[in-house]
Amino acid sequence: GAGVSQSPSNKVTEKGKDVELRCDPISGHTALYWYRQSLGQGLEFLIYFQGNSAPDKSGLPSDRFSAERTGGSVSTLTIQRTQQEDSAVYLCASSPVGGAYEQYFGPGTRLTVT
Amino acid sequence: GENVEQHPSTLSVQEGDSAVIKCTYSDSASNYFPWYKQELGKRPQLIIDIRSNVGEKKDQRIAVTLNKTAKHFSLHITETQPEDSAVYFCAASKPAGSEKLVFGKGMKLTVNP
Repeated sequence: GAGVSQSPSNKVTEKGKDVELRCDPISGHTALYWYRQSLGQGLEFLIYFQGNSAPDKSGLPSDRFSAERTGGSVSTLTIQRTQQEDSAVYLCASSPVGGAYEQYFGPGTRLTVT
Repeated sequence: GENVEQHPSTLSVQEGDSAVIKCTYSDSASNYFPWYKQELGKRPQLIIDIRSNVGEKKDQRIAVTLNKTAKHFSLHITETQPEDSAVYFCAASKPAGSEKLVFGKGMKLTVNP
């Protein structure tokens, strides 16, 4: 079946602009995660959704970052007033139920802030 | 919170040799330990995982071992092939809360033909 998809695959934006990144999880997966991967680094947790609620937002680096999920499916990560340090690959993952189950990753969105 | 350390950061082996990647974790409540392989420009792919109720798991040329007492786990790849060249990430999660994955910084494996 279809895996996790993300759009856009690449985004170049000017410093100070807002960006929206989209994630379509695997159908039926209730848990959805956003991670960030900076160049040559590991993956850094941002936020977790179970259904449409976000019980863990502890990884969001600042109040410029927000995310929502609608219909228990698609999620959008929004970064306001982008800064150069926001440049990274933003990865989305979904899992059947959460709770130490396999997480399947999307291809990521490469964000470059100029 | 949980902290996962991974070493070495790079490893180069000859085709056919074995490779071992080691990770340590800090939170004794962690109970799920997946390993991901990431090829250049691609998404991380889950290759094997282990839960805390077992000490070892094998899948063809790869195996993972877990020592809960010492809080470390390792990935073993035997008979390496050039297509095994990638960055490998270990991770840990615990049952309470979001079950988010806490990742190590990754190890770049190069298999020379």
